[in-house]
Amino acid sequence: KQEVTQIPAALSVPEGENLVLNCSFTDSAIYNLQWFRQDPGKGLTSLLLIQSSQREQTSGRLNASLDKSSGRSTLYIAASQPGDSATYLCAVSSNDYKLSFGAGTTVTVRA
Amino acid sequence: DGGITQSPKYLFRKEGQNVTLSCEQNLNHDAMYWYRQDPGQGLRLIYYSQIVNDFQKGDIAEGYSVSREKKESFPLTVTSAQKNPTAFYLCASSVQGAETQYFGPGTRLLVL
Repeated sequence: KQEVTQIPAALSVPEGENLVLNCSFTDSAIYNLQWFRQDPGKGLTSLLLIQSSQREQTSGRLNASLDKSSGRSTLYIAASQPGDSATYLCAVSSNDYKLSFGAGTTVTVRA
Repeated sequence: DGGITQSPKYLFRKEGQNVTLSCEQNLNHDAMYWYRQDPGQGLRLIYYSQIVNDFQKGDIAEGYSVSREKKESFPLTVTSAQKNPTAFYLCASSVQGAETQYFGPGTRLLVL
């Protein structure tokens, strides 16, 4: 069974600092990996999707890397802003159409 | 506007009562999913459907039931057999199973 872990569970940084969020998974036989953002009491918004054959994906200030052999992904958010405050979830897809989610990292960016 | 809608936003269940959560999408997606989210835990898959009139159990299907009579609708019933139903329920859809999933705004279920 795929296990996904996100460390740390919570993170607080001053505005302008770069954010580094970690995700690890136990089974390297994945189809893809996705990073989502969740605001309090809301649904999830997809940020980046990395196919298993890719090493990284970038969108604006966001960059996600994938090292499938070691079972790790990192989400980098450059020059953080208070609007980046949210919970960030990592999810891994197996070939049978299921996503396995981590518990998330809750980020607070202080103005 | 294209998207996924869930209703109601809040739902209250009495002991022994069955309740149904609605999920509708106008994205023309084939696959739809139901997840449960508890504090401090990742989302857990309850049921998923890849095509109309077909669905499969996820990791925590006990005490829940679904139907998929139409492509755009995937309602979830929380039965009286689910002894700990208090949670945030999220519905999602995707073009194909392993592609990006799009999520609805969620329904929070509380027990009276």
